[in-house]
Amino acid sequence: GQQLNQSPQSMFIQEGEDVSMNCTSSSIFNTWLWYKQDPGEGPVLLIALYKAGELTSNGRLTAQFGITRKDSFLNISASIPSDVGIYFCAGYAGNNRKLIWGLGTSLAVNP
Amino acid sequence: SAVISQKPSRDICQRGTSLTIQCQVDSQVTMMFWYRQQPGQSLTLIATANQGSEATYESGFVIDKFPISRPNLTFSTLTVSNMSPEDSSIYLCSSKGAEGTDTQYFGPGTRLTVL
Repeated sequence: GQQLNQSPQSMFIQEGEDVSMNCTSSSIFNTWLWYKQDPGEGPVLLIALYKAGELTSNGRLTAQFGITRKDSFLNISASIPSDVGIYFCAGYAGNNRKLIWGLGTSLAVNP
Repeated sequence: SAVISQKPSRDICQRGTSLTIQCQVDSQVTMMFWYRQQPGQSLTLIATANQGSEATYESGFVIDKFPISRPNLTFSTLTVSNMSPEDSSIYLCSSKGAEGTDTQYFGPGTRLTVL
């Protein structure tokens, strides 16, 4: 089925560094969602985006809905050890009511 | 947002047996969803469960293998039938948030190991 191209696949950074990850698609999306999944847990919604160009923050996290409606990015500023986990982008494309998922970005933070 | 609980949190089962996973939402929701997440992979939608109607299954998933119940607006079950080791996975329940929004909220998952 259709999937989003999410990059990078994994990141290993030092505590305090900023992080950026993104998702791209060949289709136009109407909604972008960013989730974080800790080991042994379900995904937790971080940020939801509904309009092209929308920029939304949640604490140290900032996400944007790309102007072309085919991409989105998530930034994490001043990373801390508890940011470790897998980050997924997901969204709805066109009239499709099924949520489409990226393959995830695994983040490791070195204290 | 919706708060979702699942039972059991994990189980180890023998080949050929069946396991029923329960999902409870803290508010009434129209649509509930069941996903499978294999180790190190993304989420794959198994089916959408609407109260009062048959579940809608995605390609590759069938009702005989994954029967779903949706007796009311806060509860659903997924049964994994006649299990094989290939069914070892995390099974996740989700629902949408407030009606009219597209966000989905997830339970903690059920980690299933089939021997």
